[in-house]
Amino acid sequence: NAGVTQTPKFQVLKTGQSMTLQCAQDMNHNSMYWYRQDPGMGLRLIYYSASEGTTDKGEVPNGYNVSRLNKREFSLRLESAAPSQTSVYFCASSEGRPSGAFFGQGTRLTVV
Amino acid sequence: AQKVTQAQTEISVVEKEDVTLDCVYETRDTTYYLFWYKQPPSGELVFLIRRNSFDEQNEISGRYSWNFQKSTSSFNFTITASQVVDSAVYFCALSDFTGGFKTIFGAGTRLFVKA
Repeated sequence: NAGVTQTPKFQVLKTGQSMTLQCAQDMNHNSMYWYRQDPGMGLRLIYYSASEGTTDKGEVPNGYNVSRLNKREFSLRLESAAPSQTSVYFCASSEGRPSGAFFGQGTRLTVV
Repeated sequence: AQKVTQAQTEISVVEKEDVTLDCVYETRDTTYYLFWYKQPPSGELVFLIRRNSFDEQNEISGRYSWNFQKSTSSFNFTITASQVVDSAVYFCALSDFTGGFKTIFGAGTRLFVKA
């Protein structure tokens, strides 16, 4: 039972580098999300995809792009990483909004 | 505007004590959903409960119970007879119609249960 799988689990980037965080779910969920978690701030929504083929901005979209490749996969791209993007990133999926979401294990990203 | 406030940053209790985690929310909608999630030290997020705005019945699941009061815009979570394994960060979250049912989270309450 994989659920929601994120890769990689850890990543260190230099300022200005780009990278893509991958996320896949095997629960046939319609909705997928990317959150970032910073100390004392809970989880903040970066982007979400209500269904295949659609994406929308969340609370903190600046500096990120997303692609809903198909129903299973939802990737998050940092085009030019900045130290302010150092965070733990979580991907999640749900049957639909506002169902309870299932989260991946998280990606700890450090930008130096 | 949506907002979730968890005023308790950290709580420390001794095993077997009861503990209540507070959650206050703000929304202008009549249709909304409330959630609680648990994040143990291992870091994953675990969905605990969802409640919709039309159902104010309290819910009990084993040692966990939730008290939803629309009059005070609160959705509090009580752990009865706490155990060390309950040590975690607990997040309250809100999803409403005006926000397109995006889920926003409170800052979390870190619970320490000491043996």
